[in-house]
Amino acid sequence: AIRMTQSPSSFSASTGDRVTITCRASQGISSYLAWYQQKPGKAPKLLIYAASTLQSGVPSRFSGSGSGTDFTLTISCLQSEDFATYYCQQYYSYPPVTFGGGTKVEIK
Amino acid sequence: QVQLVQSGAEVKKPGASVKVSCKVSGYTLTELSMHWVRQAPGKGLEWMGGFDPEDGETIYAQKFQGRVTMTEDTSTDTAYMELSSLRSEDTAVYYCATDIRSGLRGYWGQGTLVTVSS
Repeated sequence: AIRMTQSPSSFSASTGDRVTITCRASQGISSYLAWYQQKPGKAPKLLIYAASTLQSGVPSRFSGSGSGTDFTLTISCLQSEDFATYYCQQYYSYPPVTFGGGTKVEIK
Repeated sequence: QVQLVQSGAEVKKPGASVKVSCKVSGYTLTELSMHWVRQAPGKGLEWMGGFDPEDGETIYAQKFQGRVTMTEDTSTDTAYMELSSLRSEDTAVYYCATDIRSGLRGYWGQGTLVTVSS
């Protein structure tokens, strides 16, 4: 199975900051990469698929980039509602679909 | 707009089985490819399996092979996930979700907490 490694696992940031989360695949996955946001007690919310395509209704401050093995999720101007845990997911090699371990973004 | 509504929380004893349902509205189940993902308390997301429309079969993660069965009732637009031989490590929130590869991607149920405890 393809292993997805996210970094960092957690960090603190302030409202208005530009933040970047990294996801690395153990082998090339082209652009078959999605990003999710999850808040406590809620289901994950799809933000980006195909590495860089914004899901309908997701604010434009979220963006994704990368292909092959290295990917990034960027939030250009962190808002209070963005404090959450973020997961990457590969769907190139199926089965199984695999997720990264998550990155928790906390308030500084 | 797709809506997925799951059945309520369950408490089971080790060795028992649980069956979680996921009711679809807004579309029919035949228009979707349903997958199941679980999340243990304080842990990350784990894909369990789902329907692959390319070959018309349900594919299961190797970890759950032999213990999980995913079925669909198209007359009621309800998907089911049954997990048997439960152990404490199966305590988790179980989610149904539409296939990330499909045009109707990104829809998730609200989650069903399954607690396995003696």
